[in-house]
Amino acid sequence: QVQLQESGPGLVKPSQTLSLTCTVSGGSISSGSYYWSWIRQPAGKGLEWIGRIYTSGSTNYNPSLKSRVTISVDTSKNQFSLKLSSVTAADTAVYYCARDGPPGDFDPWGQGTLVTVSS
Amino acid sequence: QSVLTQPPSVSGAPGQRVTISCTGSSSNIGAGYDVHWYQQLPGTAPKLLIYGNSNRPSGVPDRFSGSKSGTSASLAITGLQAEDEADYYCQSYDSSLSVGVFGGGTKLTVL
Repeated sequence: QVQLQESGPGLVKPSQTLSLTCTVSGGSISSGSYYWSWIRQPAGKGLEWIGRIYTSGSTNYNPSLKSRVTISVDTSKNQFSLKLSSVTAADTAVYYCARDGPPGDFDPWGQGTLVTVSS
Repeated sequence: QSVLTQPPSVSGAPGQRVTISCTGSSSNIGAGYDVHWYQQLPGTAPKLLIYGNSNRPSGVPDRFSGSKSGTSASLAITGLQAEDEADYYCQSYDSSLSVGVFGGGTKLTVL
C-alpha cells in the first residue's frame, strides 16, 4: 500500500524559504487519478490545506498562501516538494503530505514533520 | 475562524452514541461537494475515517457513520470506546475560495 514520508529541515530562519520533500513508496506517484497535497497544522490548532500538484505538473494553491508557495513533482524519484518563501513565526507548524483522491479526500497521510521558524 | 463549523468538544460514556456536526454554506457542503471525516489521535497524523459523505475505508469499524443534508454533515459514533478519544475533523471543498477546507476540529472525550 502507498506510504508517504516528509523530509526536510526542522528549523528555518525568518524571511528564508521552507523546503520539504514528500517521498511516495509502495506505488507510483504517476498511477491513478490522484493529486498530491501539502497540509499544515500549527500546534494545538486545526488543519490548513496549502496546495496540490498533479503528476502533469498542474497545481492549485490556497489563495492565502499562493504568492509564497511553489509545489513541484519529480516523477523519476517518486517525490513531490513544497517551497514556502518569506517565512515568519506564523508558518511554524507540522507539515503533512497526503494523496488527494478523486472524491476530494486525503488518504493516506505522511507522519508529518515539524518545522519551526526561528532565528 | 474555519469555513466549516464544528463544536469544539463533545463527550460521552463508554458504550454511548455521540454525534459531531459540521456546518458549512452554499459554496461548499450546500453546493454538493462531498464531506470527508478524519480521526487524529494524539501526536499522530490524521486518518481518513469517512469519505464521500458516508463511506468507510476498509478497516474502519461500522461504529462510525457519516451523513450529509443540505449545508451540514454529521459523524456518528456508536458503542463509544476509550480508544475513540481523539480529535475529529470534517473536510470539503469550497468553490468561492477554490480550496479544500477543514472544520476547526472537535475533541472527543470518553468519560
